[in-house]
Amino acid sequence: DVKVTQSSRYLVKRTGEKVFLECVQDMDHENMFWYRQDPGLGLRLIYFSYDVKMKEKGDIPEGYSVSREKKERFSLILESASTNQTSMYLCASSPEGWRQPQHFGDGTRLSIL
Amino acid sequence: GESVGLHLPTLSVQEGDNSIINCAYSNSASDYFIWYKQESGKGPQFIIDIRSNMDKRQGQRVTVLLNKTVKHLSLQIAATQPGDSAVYFCAVLRGGGNKLTFGTGTQLKVEL
Repeated sequence: DVKVTQSSRYLVKRTGEKVFLECVQDMDHENMFWYRQDPGLGLRLIYFSYDVKMKEKGDIPEGYSVSREKKERFSLILESASTNQTSMYLCASSPEGWRQPQHFGDGTRLSIL
Repeated sequence: GESVGLHLPTLSVQEGDNSIINCAYSNSASDYFIWYKQESGKGPQFIIDIRSNMDKRQGQRVTVLLNKTVKHLSLQIAATQPGDSAVYFCAVLRGGGNKLTFGTGTQLKVEL
């Protein structure tokens, strides 16, 4: 089974802090994704990466950046956390190729105070 | 851009009955669709997918139906069990890449 592991289940940070969310997958997938999930809005794509050191903006990249130094690890960075970034963050991965399902981790619930 | 909508935010069924969860999409060029299940406190779990060259695909106790004419897909769960209680999302692949657009989800409640 695909295993996508997010380093923290719950995280509480303060406004203005730099926040790192970590994600590791063990299936040698090329593609990795970061989403946020908010009630009534569904999952929204923040950033994704299709290879090491490669990244592309998703639908809501403002206020975020990402890093992919190794194939198995994809980090989401909140440069200066704000209260409107309080959310559930979900990481996913998928293999290379067209029409492949994404597999998700269990999420990090981030609260910005 | 693509938009995806689910028809009901909540669906209640009796244990043992069949469940049908619906989803509509907007882009007639969409060619790949996925259903996910999300239990409380967990991430979305892949259930089944279907490509646009198919109308129907079956898994274990689940069937996905795709009607490209009206841009509608449905997830049918046979003999619904308490463990099926969760939020169900459909996701549609956007043309030209690996991005998915997700519906907002239907909460399935199984009554004993």
